[in-house]
Amino acid sequence: ILNVEQSPQSLHVQEGDSTNFTCSFPSSNFYALHWYRWETAKSPEALFVMTLNGDEKKKGRISATLNTKEGYSYLYIKGSQPEDSATYLCASTLIFGQGTTLQVKP
Amino acid sequence: DADVTQTPRNRITKTGKRIMLECSQTKGHDRMYWYRQDPGLGLRLIYYSFDVKDINKGEISDGYSVSRQAQAKFSLSLESAIPNQTALYFCATAQGRQETQYFGPGTRLLVL
Repeated sequence: ILNVEQSPQSLHVQEGDSTNFTCSFPSSNFYALHWYRWETAKSPEALFVMTLNGDEKKKGRISATLNTKEGYSYLYIKGSQPEDSATYLCASTLIFGQGTTLQVKP
Repeated sequence: DADVTQTPRNRITKTGKRIMLECSQTKGHDRMYWYRQDPGLGLRLIYYSFDVKDINKGEISDGYSVSRQAQAKFSLSLESAIPNQTALYFCATAQGRQETQYFGPGTRLLVL
């Protein structure tokens, strides 16, 4: 993988559903993997930074895991709420993925 | 007060005009970045600077130039604006190679 790729591109879920997204990144020359949350009309804000293989981070209902050997990270949201609606970006070595846009319906 | 500020917030200009976008930060970070965001393309790196007088090209530097006048200031210039430079531009700062980036509020640029 030469680029940072995220899937799916967009996701629509019902309030209360749990969901997850994937970020794939080049595993060579890895330093850190960042997740950002980007709400409409605002700036991206940091969620997590992960550096070690096997890292797991959690903030409230949102958690993330990291596999540096195979070059992927998962972001999980448990019990999605309408306020979770945003675009979630991952980034590695100054390269951003295109983001996953989540829409949570009440 | 915001830690990372950008001016102007919105700008309309004509093809061929020279414009400058300014970024200032009060976070004391060494590293500063300029990105552009286009629908469906995410954030793409234009230029970055790890310290005063250190300038590095990013993925899409053609048509742009930058100046790092001081640790707290990083300016982006479009020497001769063209319509496909219409985009949302973000400045960001960070401390250290693995550190999180902090974004400014963005500058929306329209080139007619």
